[in-house]
Amino acid sequence: GENVEQHPSTLSVQEGDSAVIKCTYSDSASNYFPWYKQELGKGPQLIIDIRSNVGEKKDQRIAVTLNKTAKHFSLHITETQPEDSAVYFCAAPGGSQGNLIFGKGTKLSVKP
Amino acid sequence: DTEVTQTPKHLVMGMTNKKSLKCEQHMGHRAMYWYKQKAKKPPELMFVYSYEKLSINESVPSRFSPECPNSSLLNLHLHALQPEDSALYLCASSQPSPLAGYNEQFFGPGTRLTVL
Repeated sequence: GENVEQHPSTLSVQEGDSAVIKCTYSDSASNYFPWYKQELGKGPQLIIDIRSNVGEKKDQRIAVTLNKTAKHFSLHITETQPEDSAVYFCAAPGGSQGNLIFGKGTKLSVKP
Repeated sequence: DTEVTQTPKHLVMGMTNKKSLKCEQHMGHRAMYWYKQKAKKPPELMFVYSYEKLSINESVPSRFSPECPNSSLLNLHLHALQPEDSALYLCASSQPSPLAGYNEQFFGPGTRLTVL
């Protein structure tokens, strides 16, 4: 089955700096990679995703890159703001029924 | 509207109680999921319903009983739970995955369950 590794487990940055979170996956057939942001006491919120037919996708301050050969994908947040502070999870397909396998999460802290 | 709603928000129950968690979505999604999330851990899949039929049961103990009455509703019936079952229970929905790839999965806010 799929295995997703995520690093780092914690990340602290100054407001305005960039943050990068990296994930690797094991199943070369995986073709969809979402990123979720989870704030304290809330459910995971889908913030961006990428499919295997593209190498990069951007949405304002957030971007995701995918390297299929190396089987890794990364989340890039530029010009970080205190409200970006949360736990971020990467994920990959867990099978044929739509379920997801999540990385262990990265706690991002943005200091004003 | 990408909203998945869950009730109740919080639930405290004893080990002999019977309770139910409810989930609702009106996005026309035909796949619905239950995940369990322990503190400081990622969500872990429990059940998948596709077109109102149970398609995945991740070896979940029988004290958890899912039900999908229609395409918009998903329930999780709880009975004789243990304290270690205390967690955040998340519902999610998506369109069923086509053979060619996945579809976006949206999560509800969760039910925080405490078993005494």
